[in-house]
Amino acid sequence: DIVMTQSPDSLAVSLGERATINCKSSQSVLYRSNNKNYLAWYQQKPGQAPKLLIYWASTREYGVPDRFSGSGSGTDFTLTISSLQAEDVAVYYCQQFHTTPCSFGQGTKVEIK
Amino acid sequence: EMQLVESGGGFVQPGRSLRLSCRGSGFSFGDYAMSWFRQAPGKGLEWVGFIRSKAEGGTTEFAASVKARFTISRDDSKSVAHLQMNSLETEDTAVYYCVVGGTYVRPVYWGQGTLVTVSS
Repeated sequence: DIVMTQSPDSLAVSLGERATINCKSSQSVLYRSNNKNYLAWYQQKPGQAPKLLIYWASTREYGVPDRFSGSGSGTDFTLTISSLQAEDVAVYYCQQFHTTPCSFGQGTKVEIK
Repeated sequence: EMQLVESGGGFVQPGRSLRLSCRGSGFSFGDYAMSWFRQAPGKGLEWVGFIRSKAEGGTTEFAASVKARFTISRDDSKSVAHLQMNSLETEDTAVYYCVVGGTYVRPVYWGQGTLVTVSS
């Protein structure tokens, strides 16, 4: 099974500052045949369903603000919030959908400093 | 607009069964694989299983923790997918989400979830 490990578990960032979350997979989630990384990022607020932010590691979902960006390939990925807003307080998860069982990171809680 | 509505959650005793439904609208339901995920109270997200589209064979795969207890079916004529959960355990207590795609293909849309509580 592919294990997804996020770091840090939590971080506090000042409004307007950059937040960076890392996600590492125990095996590559890159499909060579189409050169796509089968990696998604979600935002989850209390009592709500996860909201898809990024898929294919770097493609922003329609309607997601451009302060959210994803990068990385193979086994190492990053979600960056370029200028943290109050509404970005949430838990963020990465997910690999390359291999079953699909798996998630443990989550990173983002708060305002 | 794409929508998913889960239903069928509730309170059930250990060992009993429950069937969840996921009804889609606003998209061509039969063209997509449908996945189920869950989240136990205060915990992270967990993949439960999925069903391929009929064009891809309509076959299913499951997490080891639910294999042989859970099944997934679909009725594309009604734009609905079902998660049949048998021999429920207290560890199955969670909010269950259905998702368009999400396994072997990119996730497209998540439903709002339905809570299943397994307790005596």
